Amino acid sequence: GDSVTQMEGPVTLSEEAFLTINCTYTATGYPSLFWYVQYPGEGLQLLLKATKADDKGSNKGFEATYRKETTSFHLEKGSVQVSDSAVYFCALTANAGGTSYGKLTFGQGTILTVHP
Amino acid sequence: NAGVTQTPKFQVLKTGQSMTLQCAQDMNHNSMYWYRQDPGMGLRLIYYSASEGTTDKGEVPNGYNVSRLNKREFSLRLESAAPSQTSVYFCASSEQAANSNQPQHFGDGTRLSIL
Repeated sequence: GDSVTQMEGPVTLSEEAFLTINCTYTATGYPSLFWYVQYPGEGLQLLLKATKADDKGSNKGFEATYRKETTSFHLEKGSVQVSDSAVYFCALTANAGGTSYGKLTFGQGTILTVHP
Repeated sequence: NAGVTQTPKFQVLKTGQSMTLQCAQDMNHNSMYWYRQDPGMGLRLIYYSASEGTTDKGEVPNGYNVSRLNKREFSLRLESAAPSQTSVYFCASSEQAANSNQPQHFGDGTRLSIL
């Protein structure tokens, strides 16, 4: 079945440090890939997405590139801020002939804490 | 700009009690979902409704039932609550499930404790 594996957390960084959160996936067909972010006490919000190989999703200074050859979708940001402290989830929906009904498969989440 | 609204936000139940979690969306989305979030396990799909009038099991449906009351509302029922169902429950919706490119929009969650 489909699965998503994220790097173990928690991740603790100083403000302005470079961030990478690794994400690899297993899926049949050609999945769409997403990063969601969850701020404390809130629901998940879409951060960025990529729908085909070599697409780069970007938003709020975050970027991730859909790498089919390595089945990866790593999240990066050049300079993190305290306000980026949150839980980050990598996820996919498999596109298997339209029968997937958009079901999201999530990684386990990575807690990011950024200190001033 | 309500989006997806879940009620209640918090609830404590005793083992064996029943409860219905409510979810409503105002974005005219066709598809709705219920997830549970447990530490270290990400979110797992309980049930989903691809369109009004249809429901299907997800990854962890045991102990739950759902009702797609109309296009806006999708409720989750625990008939006989168990401590293993202590979790944070999220409802989500998306425009068109069969198009896997569509992102899902999440509510703020219901924090449920079963004693």
